[in-house]
Amino acid sequence: AQKVTQAQTEISVVEKEDVTLDCVYETRDTTYYLFWYKQPPSGELVFLIRRNSFDEQNEISGRYSWNFQKSTSSFNFTITASQVVDSAVYFCALSELDTTSYDKVIFGPGTSLSVIP
Amino acid sequence: DAGVIQSPRHEVTEMGQEVTLRCKPISGHDYLFWYRQTMMRGLELLIYFNNNVPIDDSGMPEDRFSAKMPNASFSTLKIQPSEPRDSAVYFCASNQMGSYNEQFFGPGTRLTVL
Repeated sequence: AQKVTQAQTEISVVEKEDVTLDCVYETRDTTYYLFWYKQPPSGELVFLIRRNSFDEQNEISGRYSWNFQKSTSSFNFTITASQVVDSAVYFCALSELDTTSYDKVIFGPGTSLSVIP
Repeated sequence: DAGVIQSPRHEVTEMGQEVTLRCKPISGHDYLFWYRQTMMRGLELLIYFNNNVPIDDSGMPEDRFSAKMPNASFSTLKIQPSEPRDSAVYFCASNQMGSYNEQFFGPGTRLTVL
């Protein structure tokens, strides 16, 4: 069965520190997609990145980077030089690709990140 | 595009009352999802539609909850009668073509049932 684990419930860092948010997933499929979403205090959910299971290349977008490792079923998210605006709840999510039907996206429980000035 | 639109943004009602939440998906998106977010249970998928047809409603907690999508640009989630344990933030999301595409979320409706 699908499952997404985000073991870190809450993290606090001081501004400018680097922080890594962990995500471990379980799936029986060889083809799947992984996502990260951000939920700032205002409440909306904002898409950050999508990764498919065939692409293990790490990705960097500004201060954000993602490390996808199939061997450990992990898709970790690192924020470099954190800023107060990074304070939010971050969700990792998984969906399996089924050619005959749609598979729903399973969200992890989220990690609440607080960046202290 | 204006994004996914939800109304109302906040709803306070008394136990036993009927509550209707509304959603307008992004134009051209063929999937629509209703989620519920609570501190205890996190983000839960309640139901989703494909081309206006309900596909999976296994997440709907009980018969008091119902959802409709009469056309491609409008969906409702109704709770009748409402109970205090229904208090949560309800999100609507839409996407195009399937689970390999990111979902676009609305701003959510914060429901408080007294």
